Amino acid sequence: GAGVSQSPSNKVTEKGKDVELRCDPISGHTALYWYRQRLGQGLEFLIYFQGNSAPDKSGLPSDRFSAERTGESVSTLTIQRTQQEDSAVYLCASSWKSSSYNEQFFGPGTRLTVL
Amino acid sequence: DAKTTQPPSMDCAEGRAANLPCNHSTISGNEYVYWYRQIHSQGPQYIIHGLKNNETNEMASLIITEDRKSSTLILPHATLRDTAVYYCIVRVEDYGQNFVFGPGTRLSVLP
Repeated sequence: GAGVSQSPSNKVTEKGKDVELRCDPISGHTALYWYRQRLGQGLEFLIYFQGNSAPDKSGLPSDRFSAERTGESVSTLTIQRTQQEDSAVYLCASSWKSSSYNEQFFGPGTRLTVL
Repeated sequence: DAKTTQPPSMDCAEGRAANLPCNHSTISGNEYVYWYRQIHSQGPQYIIHGLKNNETNEMASLIITEDRKSSTLILPHATLRDTAVYYCIVRVEDYGQNFVFGPGTRLSVLP
């Protein structure tokens, strides 16, 4: 079956513009995560959704970052007034609620470049 | 705080076993050891996980010391396609918990 998909694969934007990044999780996966990976660094947790519960936003770096999820499907990560330090690969992952070990399946990521 | 320590880089000859170490001296009794890898320009890929027993699957073997303070991921016959960054992560088995990825080990498999 289809894995986690993300779009766009690459996004180049000018400083100060808003961007929206999309994630389509694996069908049936109730948990969805967003991570950020700066060049040469490990993954940095941003936000986590689980069903209809309030999302865990503890990793969002500033109020310019927000995310929404429609039910247990698509999620959108929005970055307002982008800054150059926002340049990174943004990765989305999903997992099954009933998974015995909560393997997270990752998408290919969106590479964001802020000029 | 990634809770784990890994060497920043390692080399391995193609066809030989790659042994990637990980220290997790502060691991709690209910925390599992997970290994993921990230091939260039791709999202992370699950490899294997374990609690205290050694584990083996089609990709790799995981050896966890008796005191659980360290572990080793073994790729028995490394190929060029195994060149990637390998992440060792400890976390509780709670699907709501995110993964904290450290910088990992960059494994280079050499021809």
